[in-house]
Amino acid sequence: AQSVTQLDSQVPVFEEAPVELRCNYSSSVSVYLFWYVQYPNQGLQLLLKYLSGSTLVESINGFEAEFNKSQTSFHLRKPSVHISDTAEYFCAVSEGYGQNFVFGPGTRLSVLP
Amino acid sequence: EAQVTQNPRYLITVTGKKLTVTCSQNMNHEYMSWYRQDPGLGLRQIYYSMNVEVTDKGDVPEGYKVSRKEKRNFPLILESPSPNQTSLYFCASSLDRPSYNEQFFGPGTRLTVL
Repeated sequence: AQSVTQLDSQVPVFEEAPVELRCNYSSSVSVYLFWYVQYPNQGLQLLLKYLSGSTLVESINGFEAEFNKSQTSFHLRKPSVHISDTAEYFCAVSEGYGQNFVFGPGTRLSVLP
Repeated sequence: EAQVTQNPRYLITVTGKKLTVTCSQNMNHEYMSWYRQDPGLGLRQIYYSMNVEVTDKGDVPEGYKVSRKEKRNFPLILESPSPNQTSLYFCASSLDRPSYNEQFFGPGTRLTVL
């Protein structure tokens, strides 16, 4: 069965600084990878996803993630964060044609002025 | 407006008193799912449904029941709630398998079992 590890439970960073949120997964088959974001007191929203093709995927608000099969990673990066990026970020994996979906424990990003 | 709704948003109850949390989506989605969110554990899937009358266990199904009699509704039933079911619950739906399709989440239901 697949699993997801997010090593950093909290990441504080100053506004306009770069940030990387780490995600590693384990699976014995091909996977689809996702990043979801949860703003305070809200449900989760899809940020970006990797299904196939280019290993670098981007979101509309400046985040990007790169699928690295050899390192089983899908780290999320942004070159310059804003206060409004303060949220909890969840990495998730789904195996092949699988119907269930596994989330990581989440990383709380706090952007400081 | 396309959305997933959950009711109630907040609920405090006592051990053993049966309760139901409703979930409804207006997007004609085939797939629906329930998750619980606990600090440090992220979201864990309780049950999911691929279509009407088709449900299956997720990772933490013990103590929960679901039904899918209509495509739009997917209620979560706790027959005999216990304190370890105190959590934040999210319902989600997607057009088809979540492997390919974005999941849309409801606003959450915060449940406290005393």
